[in-house]
Amino acid sequence: AQSVTQPDIHITVSEGASLELRCNYSYGATPYLFWYVQSPGQGLQLLLKYFSGDTLVQGIKGFEAEFKRSQSSFNLRKPSVHWSDAAEYFCAVGANQAGTALIFGKGTTLSVSS
Amino acid sequence: DVKVTQSSRYLVKRTGEKVFLECVQDMDHENMFWYRQDPGLGLRLIYFSYDVKMKEKGDIPEGYSVSREKKERFSLILESASTNQTSMYLCASSSSPGAYEQYFGPGTRLTVT
Repeated sequence: AQSVTQPDIHITVSEGASLELRCNYSYGATPYLFWYVQSPGQGLQLLLKYFSGDTLVQGIKGFEAEFKRSQSSFNLRKPSVHWSDAAEYFCAVGANQAGTALIFGKGTTLSVSS
Repeated sequence: DVKVTQSSRYLVKRTGEKVFLECVQDMDHENMFWYRQDPGLGLRLIYFSYDVKMKEKGDIPEGYSVSREKKERFSLILESASTNQTSMYLCASSSSPGAYEQYFGPGTRLTVT
């Protein structure tokens, strides 16, 4: 079955430290991969996406993610976390196929300590 | 920029009431989606639509129905609201043909008492 797993429910990182959020997927077709961020009380905002090509993709707010087909992973990284990055992060997978929808992970909550 | 708007940010309804949640997008997107979001459960797809008057059930359609009479508008209907439908409801849209990136509205926090 198609699925997305975010193994970490909650992560706390010190401000200025590096960040890596994990995402593993199970998807039969060539996946399209996404990371979204949700600030408290808000909708989801797209951080970055991977469709094809270079496996390291850059997104907004200084985030990047690397697609590793052999590990079925699409981990999100940021070299230096800011207090404003505290939010919930969702990984999603989909396909370029009509009538389909994205599959979301359950999310990882990021807290930033000073 | 794509803009997806939802009719209410906060809504309080009584058990048994019929509830309408409206979603409008301004980018001529073919696909529209309704999710509910609950702590620890992430986003769960209720219904989606890939064309006017077309709809597909998602993972949790029970207790809900949808309507898409115009391309830009997708309505979620709770025929008889129950307390277990208290949740955050998120609407999203995307362009055709498939699961390209979705653009989300701000959400409606529905409380059923």
